[in-house]
Amino acid sequence: NAGVTQTPKFQVLKTGQSMTLQCAQDMNHEYMSWYRQDPGMGLRLIHYSVGAGITDQGEVPNGYNVSRSTTEDFPLRLLSAAPSQTSVYFCASSSGTPRRREQFFGPGTRLTVL
Amino acid sequence: GIQVEQSPPDLILQEGANSTLRCNFSDSVNNLQWFHQNPWGQLINLFYIPSGTKQNGRLSATTVATERYSLLYISSSQTTDSGVYFCAVRTPKTGTASKLTFGTGTRLQVTL
Repeated sequence: NAGVTQTPKFQVLKTGQSMTLQCAQDMNHEYMSWYRQDPGMGLRLIHYSVGAGITDQGEVPNGYNVSRSTTEDFPLRLLSAAPSQTSVYFCASSSGTPRRREQFFGPGTRLTVL
Repeated sequence: GIQVEQSPPDLILQEGANSTLRCNFSDSVNNLQWFHQNPWGQLINLFYIPSGTKQNGRLSATTVATERYSLLYISSSQTTDSGVYFCAVRTPKTGTASKLTFGTGTRLQVTL
C-alpha cells in the first residue's frame, strides 16, 4: 500500500491564481481530511469528508473548496490564492470502528503564495 | 472547543538520556494520537492511545483519560528522535470523526 499520497510536494503561486492540491489513499478509508500547518503551530482542520459525495467544513475553510467523487481521492482547491494561504498542507485518512479512527497523514504539500 | 496543551515546549537532551512529554486536554476524548514530525516535515504515527499504556521499542505512552492527560516516554534517546512531537485528540462532542485537535507540540533536540 502506498498509504496517503499528495501532489505536488512544493508549489509557488502568485496572488489570485487558482490551483488544486491532490490527495489519494489506497486503504479504502471512509474518512479524509485536509489540514494546514503554519510555522510553530499544530495542524488545523480545513475541510473533511465522511464518504464519497459528503464533505463539510472544518475550523479554517475560507478560501478553499473540496469535493469527494470517489473513495480514493479528495482534492483541495484554492480558488484565488492569497499570501495568508502560504502554509504546509496535509491530507489525512482514517477508517475503522467508531472507537478506532486512527488518522494517517500524507507527506504534505508546501505552498508559497507571493 | 477542546484545548490541548503540551509541555515542555522545547527540550534539549544528550544522546542516551530519557524524557517525558506531557499532553493535557480540557475535555473527554475518544481518540488520542501521538505523532513525531521529523526534520523533513513528515508526520509519523507513534501511538493511537485513547486510554491505557502502550510500548513500542524505546517509546511508550500512557493516557489517563479520567484525569485528562497523556504522557510520552522516550528512553535512551537518539539523534534520530529529534523533531517535534504532537499530541492530537478527538472529542465525541465535535460531531465529526475526522477532526483531530492538535497541541502546539514539543520540539526535541537530541545532541551527541
